[in-house]
Amino acid sequence: AQSVDQPDAHVTLSEGASLELRCSYSYSAAPYLFWYVQYPGQSLQFLLKYITGDTVVKGTKGFEAEFRKSNSSFNLKKSPAHWSDSAKYFCALENTGYQNFYFGKGTSLTVIP
Amino acid sequence: DPKIIQKPKYLVAVTGSEKILICEQYLGHNAMYWYRQSAKKPLEFMFSYSYQKLMDNQTASSRFQPQSSKKNHLDLQITALKPDDSATYFCASSLGGGGAETLYFGSGTRLTVL
Repeated sequence: AQSVDQPDAHVTLSEGASLELRCSYSYSAAPYLFWYVQYPGQSLQFLLKYITGDTVVKGTKGFEAEFRKSNSSFNLKKSPAHWSDSAKYFCALENTGYQNFYFGKGTSLTVIP
Repeated sequence: DPKIIQKPKYLVAVTGSEKILICEQYLGHNAMYWYRQSAKKPLEFMFSYSYQKLMDNQTASSRFQPQSSKKNHLDLQITALKPDDSATYFCASSLGGGGAETLYFGSGTRLTVL
């Protein structure tokens, strides 16, 4: 069965530090993976996606993510972090052919100025 | 201008009543979705439609019925409302061509059932 796991419910770090938000997935085929961000009181916005090819994908707002097939992970990274990055981040997996996407529980990121 | 319009933004209902959540998208997309976000389940897939056909339904209850009158509309009818239905309901859309599609989300309807 397909699933997405974000093991860290909350992450707090200081501005200027490097951030890495963890995501692991379970899927029987080649995955399409996504990261979305939700700022307080707002809806979700697309950050980046992995389809195939380069294992490091770059997205909006200075974020990038690394796909690692060996351990089924798709971690989100940014350096340095800025206080405005404080938000909830969701990792998602497309269930190809079924027109649906499974989201992880999200990681709430707090960047302290 | 918002490209995905959800109405109303806030909705208060009494237990047992029926409500319709409206969603219209002006992105020219062919696929539309409903997701639900609550404290218990952060972001839960409900339905997907492609070219006005139901593609997937992950809701356990028939009280939730999507209605697609036009390609760019996907409303959500909820009957016999329960307090557990209290959540923010997000409509989303994507191109609909299949494969690695980016989802675009509306601003949500926050439903409170008393």
